[in-house]
Parts: sequence; structure tokens; C-alpha cells
Amino acid sequence: AQSVAQPEDQVNVAEGNPLTVKCTYSVSGNPYLFWYVQYPNRGLQFLLKYITGDNLVKGSYGFEAEFNKSQTSFHLKKPSALVSDSALYFCAVRPMEYGNKLVFGAGTILRVKS
Amino acid sequence: DVKVTQSSRYLVKRTGEKVFLECVQDMDHENMFWYRQDPGLGLRLIYFSYDVKMKEKGDIPEGYSVSREKKERFSLILESASTNQTSMYLCASSLGRLNTEAFFGQGTRLTVV
Repeated sequence: AQSVAQPEDQVNVAEGNPLTVKCTYSVSGNPYLFWYVQYPNRGLQFLLKYITGDNLVKGSYGFEAEFNKSQTSFHLKKPSALVSDSALYFCAVRPMEYGNKLVFGAGTILRVKS
Repeated sequence: DVKVTQSSRYLVKRTGEKVFLECVQDMDHENMFWYRQDPGLGLRLIYFSYDVKMKEKGDIPEGYSVSREKKERFSLILESASTNQTSMYLCASSLGRLNTEAFFGQGTRLTVV
């Protein structure tokens, strides 16, 4: 079965420190991978995606993500967290064999404290 | 700018009512999706459509149906609303290619009483 796991319900980090939000996936074949962010009472906003090529992908708002095929992971990172980064983050996978469907993880709440 | 618009932000309906949630996109996207978001469960796919009048069931289609008569509009229908359908509903659209991201509406928070 196609699935995405975000092992942490919540991540706490101090402002200015680096942050990592973890994501692992389980699909057959090569996946397309995405990160989205959701602010309170809003829809999801696209942050970045991995399609092919360079394993380090850069996205919006200074975020980046590292694709690791051997560990089937796609962790979201930022070198220096801002209080305004506090939000709910979703990892998603679109397996090539799964047609157009996007499969989402359960989400991780990121809290950045000043 | 890309835009997906859901007709209501908040909706309160009674048990047994037929409920329509409307979604319109202005990007000429082939794919449209309806998700349900519940705390701790992430987003679960209810239905998606890859073309006009075409639809496929997602992971939790029971109790729901959809309609796509025009490319820009995708409607989610709750045939007979129940309290366990109280949730946040998110509509999204994307191009037909697998490597493209989806764009989301602002969500409709539905409460069934």
C-alpha cells in the first residue's frame, strides 16, 4: 500500500535554530514527493517538490528538503527558524503507479518559540 | 495568480440534509480533488476527477458523491448528512501531469448537528 509517515506530531524549536520535520514514504517504484504548509483556518500552500535529479530541493520561504532513496525519506529543513514558520506541515507522495492521487501524511505541528 | 475557490468557509447543516459543497478553479486544470481533513488523520481523499464527467473513488467515498459537469467546477455532495461527516473539507486542483503540485482552496468547515 502507498503511504506516508510523519513520525512526530509536533516539533518545537527556538527561533534562529535549524529545524527538521521528518517524512518517510512507502511506495512501489519512484515517487514524486511534496511538502505543504497550512496556517490556521487556511487551505494548504505548496512549499516544494522532488521530481528527479538533485536530492536537495529548495522551496519557498527558505525551506529545503532532502530526498534519500535508500532511507525512503524526504525531510523538510530550514537553517534558521522564524516564529512565523509556526504552522502545520504536510508531506505528500504521488506514486507514479498511483495515477493522479496525492497521498498525505498526518501532519506535523511546528512551534517556533522566541 | 492561481485560484481555487470554495463556495463557503463555514456551513452548519442538520442530520439527514443533502449538502452541496462547491469548488471552482480558474487555472484550466484537468484534475480536481476533494479531501477531508481531521486532526491526527491528515488529509484523506474522498473523490477525484481527471476530466469532465470522469471521477474516481478515493479512500473514503462512502456517504459522498461528486459531480463535474464543467472543467472548472467540482461539486461534493453529501447525500444524507450525518454527524460523523463534521469535518474540514478541502478542494484542490492540478494539471494532468504527475510531477505537478496541487493547489488548494481555503477549506469549508462543515458542522452537522
